[in-house]
Amino acid sequence: NAGVTQTPKFRILKIGQSMTLQCTQDMNHNYMYWYRQDPGMGLKLIYYSVGAGITDKGEVPNGYNVSRSTTEDFPLRLELAAPSQTSVYFCASSKGLAAEGTDTQYFGPGTRLTVL
Amino acid sequence: AQTVTQSQPEMSVQEAETVTLSCTYDTSESDYYLFWYKQPPSRQMILVIRQEAYKQQNATENRFSVNFQKAAKSFSLKISDSQLGDAAMYFCAYRSGNTGKLIFGQGTTLQVKP
Repeated sequence: NAGVTQTPKFRILKIGQSMTLQCTQDMNHNYMYWYRQDPGMGLKLIYYSVGAGITDKGEVPNGYNVSRSTTEDFPLRLELAAPSQTSVYFCASSKGLAAEGTDTQYFGPGTRLTVL
Repeated sequence: AQTVTQSQPEMSVQEAETVTLSCTYDTSESDYYLFWYKQPPSRQMILVIRQEAYKQQNATENRFSVNFQKAAKSFSLKISDSQLGDAAMYFCAYRSGNTGKLIFGQGTTLQVKP
């Protein structure tokens, strides 16, 4: 059971380039999330999904796109990268919302992205 | 909109002593959940403790306990018998009852001195 995996671990992009951050979970969780963490700050929600085919915006969605075609995968797409998108990106998943323990979010190890 | 505030950017504690990290939040909702997450230098986010707003009893997990003051909208974390491995950044987080979205505070960096 690998939990939540993210690739790549590190990436440097040039301004205007695009890329996809991959996220996969093997816990059969319904909910998946993308966060970004700027230096010295807390995490901010970019997008989330409550199940395959269903996604919604979080606090800071501009400049990003997501899709959820399977329960396991939740890729995050950056179009036209900008220096303001330099950050550490975390993917997370949870089983559900209701009972204790099911709403615990399990986080991946993060992707450090630098846009120059 | 809900907000979470951690007013202590940095704290330090002597090994084996007790330390309390502060967190306040603002909400008009009645159904919500509160969390403390730990982020060591490895960057891995680890759940420390969870509290349901409808429960009056404070949550406890081994050396970690919370002081949940609902009327004051305060949710502090107490770490007893501090260990070197407790050194990390700690984040307070809020979740509305009907969504999975977490709202995080700015974090408190905890240093544990041997």
